Amino acid sequence: DQQVKQNSPSLSVQEGRISILNCDYTNSMFDYFLWYKKYPAEGPTFLISISSIKDKNEDGRFTVFLNKSAKHLSLHIVPSQPGDSAVYFCAADYMGRRALTFGSGTRLQVQP
Amino acid sequence: ETGVTQSPTHLIKTRGQQVTLRCSSQSGHNTVSWYQQALGQGPQFIFQYYREEENGRGNFPPRFSGLQFPNYSSELNVNALELDDSALYLCASSGGQKVNEQFFGPGTRLTVL
Repeated sequence: DQQVKQNSPSLSVQEGRISILNCDYTNSMFDYFLWYKKYPAEGPTFLISISSIKDKNEDGRFTVFLNKSAKHLSLHIVPSQPGDSAVYFCAADYMGRRALTFGSGTRLQVQP
Repeated sequence: ETGVTQSPTHLIKTRGQQVTLRCSSQSGHNTVSWYQQALGQGPQFIFQYYREEENGRGNFPPRFSGLQFPNYSSELNVNALELDDSALYLCASSGGQKVNEQFFGPGTRLTVL
């Protein structure tokens, strides 16, 4: 039973355009959501997070949107750069357990 | 400030053997979590250690066990290895000022033949 789903295994966008990565969850207890980026041979790197009391959080080129009623979140990267090419994981937690439930990842390719 | 380190980088074992993986947490972090990432999947939570005690466990059998030491470094032990244990094992530390953020090490790639 996958509680966090990333239904798009891959995404390709042109440099300078917007990248939108999507994530759905089923567990209503989740109250904290995170996005991680992973390059080959490295561990996941924290990108941005959002608490369930908010619907939007911005950090530079990265914005995460949370729609609690739809149990959906998305990561927007604007503008996309070739260095953003990596696998992006959505993760969720609740009650500050720090026991993350991850999606299966989306491979983003930004074309120069 | 040093990041999370893991050793070894790669490991090859045969079915039935035992393995120990090691993790040094980031300076100032008192919580270590271990994850298993199978090929093509996201990381799966194995267990977490906080101040040397197990503080939560995912859906993994008892042959997966761990330790945390007074300096907050940690070990993951897997007994009676099975072919399906082949995966990338990731360690993450947390507990600094940004309590909810976990910082991951580069992982140990375990292959079971």
